[in-house]
Amino acid sequence: QIQLVQSGPELKKPGESVKISCKASGYTFTDYAMHWVKQVPGKGLKWMGWINTYTGKPTYADDFKGRFVFSLEASASTANLQISNLKNEDTANVFCATYWFAYWGQGTLVTVSS
Amino acid sequence: DVVLTQTPPTLSATIGQSVSISCRSSQSLLHSNGNTYLHWLLQRPGQSPQLLIYSVSRLESGVPNRFSGSGSGTDFTLKISGVEAEDLGVYYCVQGTHAPPTFGGGTKLELK
Repeated sequence: QIQLVQSGPELKKPGESVKISCKASGYTFTDYAMHWVKQVPGKGLKWMGWINTYTGKPTYADDFKGRFVFSLEASASTANLQISNLKNEDTANVFCATYWFAYWGQGTLVTVSS
Repeated sequence: DVVLTQTPPTLSATIGQSVSISCRSSQSLLHSNGNTYLHWLLQRPGQSPQLLIYSVSRLESGVPNRFSGSGSGTDFTLKISGVEAEDLGVYYCVQGTHAPPTFGGGTKLELK
């Protein structure tokens, strides 16, 4: 069955960087795009962007341009999200999702605090 | 960007009651290819969202048939015919017709 397994929770200070991974299994990784979705605790879902897992081309939502980088390790069926120069407002649960939101990772909680 | 407005924001129900959630779009979600990419998700407390309904009315595999979706154009509805305890959580509509994908604000279903 299709599974997305994300890396564990992160506690970072403002200005630091973080890298979140999302390992896919149960399907051909390059068949479906990988989306990234942000959820501030207690709030709704916000689409961050997606990466074409066949070409590696990323597309970022307007609010996620500049400090956010989507990348792939296709040989490992893994998608990554790197956030640099972390700010307090980056504190959130971040999900990867594929096949147009049919399958989701378990979420990675990123906490940014001094 | 397409704005999806969900109502009500909170819904209180008793077990066995039938309820409906509305999702209204700021523009038509009918794609030029004839499909309508409006889907419904449920996020239970402490869990990831799960897909319930895709393309307006198609039930995702494994989802109980007490869930149903309907609508067209800009107005869509999710109906639960006989709420069960496991249905509690936050329901989101999401559209994929127009880039970028956007989510509704959510409807929290709680027990009365």
